[in-house]
Amino acid sequence: AQSVTQLGSHVSVSEGALVLLRCNYSSSVPPYLFWYVQYPNQGLQLLLKYTSAATLVKGINGFEAEFKKSETSFHLTKPSAHMSDAAEYFCAVSEKAAGNKLTFGGGTRVLVKP
Amino acid sequence: GAVVSQHPSRVICKSGTSVKIECRSLDFQATTMFWYRQFPKKSLMLMATSNEGSKATYEQGVEKDKFLINHASLTLSTLTVTSAHPEDSSFYICSALRLAGAEETQYFGPGTRLLVL
Repeated sequence: AQSVTQLGSHVSVSEGALVLLRCNYSSSVPPYLFWYVQYPNQGLQLLLKYTSAATLVKGINGFEAEFKKSETSFHLTKPSAHMSDAAEYFCAVSEKAAGNKLTFGGGTRVLVKP
Repeated sequence: GAVVSQHPSRVICKSGTSVKIECRSLDFQATTMFWYRQFPKKSLMLMATSNEGSKATYEQGVEKDKFLINHASLTLSTLTVTSAHPEDSSFYICSALRLAGAEETQYFGPGTRLLVL
């Protein structure tokens, strides 16, 4: 069975500061890992994904995430926060053997202070 | 690429009526689509997996007779909420699975907000 834990339901950062969103996963097989962003009243937009290639994955809008198998983590970072980064972020894991179903973490809401 | 649309974006209906929500993959074919439900300030809950040309697979606790899913083509899946009640009010989001070689990625629609009065 697969599961995802996002530490911190809310994160507040100052504009220009580092954004760090934590995600730990549990999977019985090598996983596919995803980060999605959701703006208010909208669907989810794919930020980046890990599919067993490079462990450091670069995504859109300046975000990147590093897959660390030993720590079962896939934390999301951005060096400098922008006001437009205020949104809800979801980490997700999928297993092909599970029918490609995505299991989502609880989400982390990011607030960016000017 | 990888655009998924949903229609309608918002719908208000009376209790007891049925509502149909469409999910379309606009620039790729999707043999598999998924339907999620999201409660306010909560994560997404998978309701069912929609497979083109076959019956949908429902998650535990989801009433298949309540939430009818049809995936008649490679670009369209529909979710019909039958005999809707106020507790069915929610944000419904679909996704379409895009296969690119060995990689599989879900792309999400913009969601449909349903309010049942």
